[in-house]
Amino acid sequence: DQQVKQNSPSLSVQEGRISILNCDYTNSMFDYFLWYKKYPAEGPTFLISISSIKDKNEDGRFTVFLNKSAKHLSLHIVPSQPGDSAVYFCAAISGNTPLVFGKGTRLSVIA
Amino acid sequence: DTGVSQDPRHKITKRGQNVTFRCDPISEHNRLYWYRQTLGQGPEFLTYFQNEAQLEKSRLLSDRFSAERPKGSFSTLEIQRTEQGDSAMYLCASSFTEQETQYFGPGTRLLVL
Repeated sequence: DQQVKQNSPSLSVQEGRISILNCDYTNSMFDYFLWYKKYPAEGPTFLISISSIKDKNEDGRFTVFLNKSAKHLSLHIVPSQPGDSAVYFCAAISGNTPLVFGKGTRLSVIA
Repeated sequence: DTGVSQDPRHKITKRGQNVTFRCDPISEHNRLYWYRQTLGQGPEFLTYFQNEAQLEKSRLLSDRFSAERPKGSFSTLEIQRTEQGDSAMYLCASSFTEQETQYFGPGTRLLVL
């Protein structure tokens, strides 16, 4: 049973446009959510996070939105740049448990 | 560089051989995690340490896997009698206790022939 789901394996966006990556979760005990970015042959790099007591967190071009009632979060990247092309993982945590990751969405930003 | 480091970055071995990976966490991070990632999947938790104590192990961690963090600093992950199904990227991450954000190393890519 996958507790964190990223239903879109891939996404293509034109440079300068908005990229929206989605993530759904099933475990209502999750209280902290993170997005990681991963390039091939490298480890995941932390991007942005959000606590369950908030519904939005912004850091530069990256904004994460959390809808607790729908158990849904999304990552918005605007404007998208070619260097943003990577695999993006959504992860969730409850208390001191290990991170639970989705399968990732491959973002391609086309110049 | 004060990030998480892992060694080696790549390892090719024959089935049945033992392999050992090392992880050096960010200094002063007292939590250290091991994950495994296979193609098309997100990282999956294997085990974690708080200081030198191994606090949790996943059911993915068979008896052939063992991890140590003897002095609460670096950690090693050993796989005995490797199988082709062990081929994966092995990732290490570290964090402060009570801090949710984990910082990952570059990973060790294992290929078992």
